Amino acid sequence: DIQMTQSPSSLSASVGDGVTITCRASQSISSYLNWYQQKPGKAPKLLIYAASSLQSGVPSRFSGSGSGTDFILTISSLQPEDFATYYCQQSHSTPQTFGQGTKVEIK
Amino acid sequence: EVQLVESGGGLVQPGRSLRLSCAASGFTFDDYAMHWVRQAPGKGLEWVSGISWNSGSIDYADSVKGRFTISRDNAKNSLYLQMNSLRGEDTALYYCAKDTRDRMAAAGSLQHWGQGTLVTVSS
Repeated sequence: DIQMTQSPSSLSASVGDGVTITCRASQSISSYLNWYQQKPGKAPKLLIYAASSLQSGVPSRFSGSGSGTDFILTISSLQPEDFATYYCQQSHSTPQTFGQGTKVEIK
Repeated sequence: EVQLVESGGGLVQPGRSLRLSCAASGFTFDDYAMHWVRQAPGKGLEWVSGISWNSGSIDYADSVKGRFTISRDNAKNSLYLQMNSLRGEDTALYYCAKDTRDRMAAAGSLQHWGQGTLVTVSS
């Protein structure tokens, strides 16, 4: 099985800050990497698919990059509604594993 | 509008069985793979199982293999998860999710999610 490791597990940031979250796969997954945002009590929401494609309706301050084993989610200027937990997920092979999550909290 | 509505959760004793259902609407159900993803209280997301559009390809997480069975009825626009030999560690909110592809692990993503159904395994 492919293991997905996110870092950091949590971070504190202020509104307006730039934020980066990394996700590393235990083997190459090409660009088959998705990012999701989850707020408390809500279902996850797809943000980025295929490593760098922005899902329709998602603000352009979100971006994704990477290929192979190393991937990055960037939020260019953190907004109040962005405080949430973020997960990466590989869709290269089954089981389609998720990272353990990164909680973005208000500083 | 895509809608996924899970049902069938509840409190069940260890070792017993439960069957979850997911009613889909707003899209052509038999064009897409479907998945179950769960989230234990206060924990992260765990992919549980997936099924291709025609049920020709099915897979499970190691944690549920041999105990859970995924199925779909394209005529009824419905996805199911039969859960047997339930354990305390199966306690979670179970989400139904729609893939963007017709089969699993084909560079797809989980574009639409239901609101989940809670399964609690306890004596």
